[in-house]
Amino acid sequence: GAGVSQTPSNKVTEKGKYVELRCDPISGHTALYWYRQSLGQGPEFLIYFQGTGAADDSGLPNDRFFAVRPEGSVSTLKIQRTERGDSAVYLCASSYHGGGNYGYTFGSGTRLTVV
Amino acid sequence: GENVEQHPSTLSVQEGDSAVIKCTYSDSASNYFPWYKQELGKGPQLIIDIRSNVGEKKDQRIAVTLNKTAKHFSLHITETQPEDSAVYFCAASRAAGNKLTFGGGTRVLVKP
Repeated sequence: GAGVSQTPSNKVTEKGKYVELRCDPISGHTALYWYRQSLGQGPEFLIYFQGTGAADDSGLPNDRFFAVRPEGSVSTLKIQRTERGDSAVYLCASSYHGGGNYGYTFGSGTRLTVV
Repeated sequence: GENVEQHPSTLSVQEGDSAVIKCTYSDSASNYFPWYKQELGKGPQLIIDIRSNVGEKKDQRIAVTLNKTAKHFSLHITETQPEDSAVYFCAASRAAGNKLTFGGGTRVLVKP
């Protein structure tokens, strides 16, 4: 597609439930990133994939958070036993590692609300 | 780890005036510094970036300067227009393509 697509755009879930957030990167982009943005703050890094493997998962806050990218394209961020503090906008970005342009392209995000 | 501080948190300018946003970073190994513009309900959009081997870069009405010795970099917007109103974020990383550490953001309001 033309841009990074994230679904759903909004998700409301009850505390303790499991959620999955999906990211479709730009076709051909080998790198994929997940960030979390709380209200009034800058995005915070969660995890970065190069192809199918997680190149850096140092930003995942705890073992309730997990992400996969099994075929090197679509990625899913999974959150178990959600807590109210997990409420935020989850942003996905992709980039092409090649040539001189490494700029990320972000999607519009998934707004997660845990009630 | 890296820490990026951004000032001011809000900036109000008259249309046609210039706007300047400043950031400092802590990791001397950082060498890639992008700037993003975020409009309400959208993801951040890359507007300009600079690498550590360059001191200044310009693209039409926007320019970025980098002082590696002092560990600070700035965004300059000239001849501001109402459509420049948005939240702007600076960021830093050790290499383009690596994880970014973002500043806290600057809300810019351009008054017509």
